[in-house]
Amino acid sequence: GDSVTQMEGPVTLSEEAFLTINCTYTATGYPSLFWYVQYPGEGLQLLLKATKADDKGSNKGFEATYRKETTSFHLEKGSVQVSDSAVYFCALGSGAGNMLTFGGGTRLMVKP
Amino acid sequence: DVKVTQSSRYLVKRTGEKVFLECVQDMDHENMFWYRQDPGLGLRLIYFSYDVKMKEKGDIPEGYSVSREKKERFSLILESASTNQTSMYLCASTSHGYEQYFGPGTRLTVT
Repeated sequence: GDSVTQMEGPVTLSEEAFLTINCTYTATGYPSLFWYVQYPGEGLQLLLKATKADDKGSNKGFEATYRKETTSFHLEKGSVQVSDSAVYFCALGSGAGNMLTFGGGTRLMVKP
Repeated sequence: DVKVTQSSRYLVKRTGEKVFLECVQDMDHENMFWYRQDPGLGLRLIYFSYDVKMKEKGDIPEGYSVSREKKERFSLILESASTNQTSMYLCASTSHGYEQYFGPGTRLTVT
């Protein structure tokens, strides 16, 4: 079945550091890929998405490129802020049923 | 903007009580989902629904039931709450695509 693997956290960075959170997937067919963010005490919010190979999703300074050859969708940001501290979830949508398969989540902590 | 609301942000119930968690979406979405989120376990799907009065079991349906009498409302029911159901409960909805819209969550404590 489909699966998503994310790097385990927590990831701790200083403000203005470069961020990479790795995400790889296993899926049949051609999935859509997503990054969601969860701020403390809140639900999940869609951060960015990509629906086909080589697409780049971007939002709020975050980027991720759909790499079919490496089955990856790594999240990057050039300069993190304290306000980016949150849990980040990689997810894929594939097949019938509008279902998403989530990775385990990666907690990011950004220190001033 | 799509809005998904959940009836309570925080809830404290006693063991054995029947608990209702309500979720309402305002975008006429066909599909609705209930997840629970626990540290180290990520999101786990409890139940989902494709349409009014339709329901399907997810990965962990034991101890839960659901009701969808109207398209905009999807209720999660804990028939007899137990301490191992203490968790964060998240509702989500989507239309024809995979992009799910989440509510703010209900943190349930069962004592």
